[in-house]
Amino acid sequence: AQKITQTQPGMFVQEKEAVTLDCTYDTSDPSYGLFWYKQPSSGEMIFLIYQGSYDQQNATEGRYSLNFQKARKSANLVISASQLGDSAMYFCAMRGLSGSARQLTFGSGTQLTVLP
Amino acid sequence: NAGVTQTPKFRVLKTGQSMTLLCAQDMNHEYMYWYRQDPGMGLRLIHYSVGEGTTAKGEVPDGYNVSRLKKQNFLLGLESAAPSQTSVYFCASFRDGPYNEQFFGPGTRLTVL
Repeated sequence: AQKITQTQPGMFVQEKEAVTLDCTYDTSDPSYGLFWYKQPSSGEMIFLIYQGSYDQQNATEGRYSLNFQKARKSANLVISASQLGDSAMYFCAMRGLSGSARQLTFGSGTQLTVLP
Repeated sequence: NAGVTQTPKFRVLKTGQSMTLLCAQDMNHEYMYWYRQDPGMGLRLIHYSVGEGTTAKGEVPDGYNVSRLKKQNFLLGLESAAPSQTSVYFCASFRDGPYNEQFFGPGTRLTVL
């Protein structure tokens, strides 16, 4: 079984500042992937970043980076230089890579608001 | 390349009515999924398919049925809609690869009165 916990229902950040969104996970799968998705008010799910459990380096994609601490089972998303367009719901998710279903398990999300 | 499409985008049903949601993908993906998202919550898996002709139950399958007769299509059926099925439904498909990314459809907003 897999579980994702996001303990911050809502976060505020000033424009141009960095923000960290927390995510902890639990799984018995020896191989897994961790994802972050953005869901703006329009409703679509936008893939942001991926981290494999065996990746040696933390993933980065533009202003997004994933602070992966395997021993602590955490996969926090760091957004640098926040922009007003970053205001959205952010979901952490994981997938076991050794099973057959490959489905994603999602956390409950963090609503990020960027203040001008 | 349209990606993942969902039909319809919006629907209002009365309790007890039935309907089918259609998901189509043109990426030749083996895996397809149906999720529901309730207000303030993440996505929960309803049913999934690991290939044409196969389906399996996810976390919240009760009240839903699915079929995958063709690889590119995954149908979600509600035989007798209930107000508790008011939700936004997302379809997704998946391929193995460097990102193991799931591609999501735009969602279907369903209201059951």
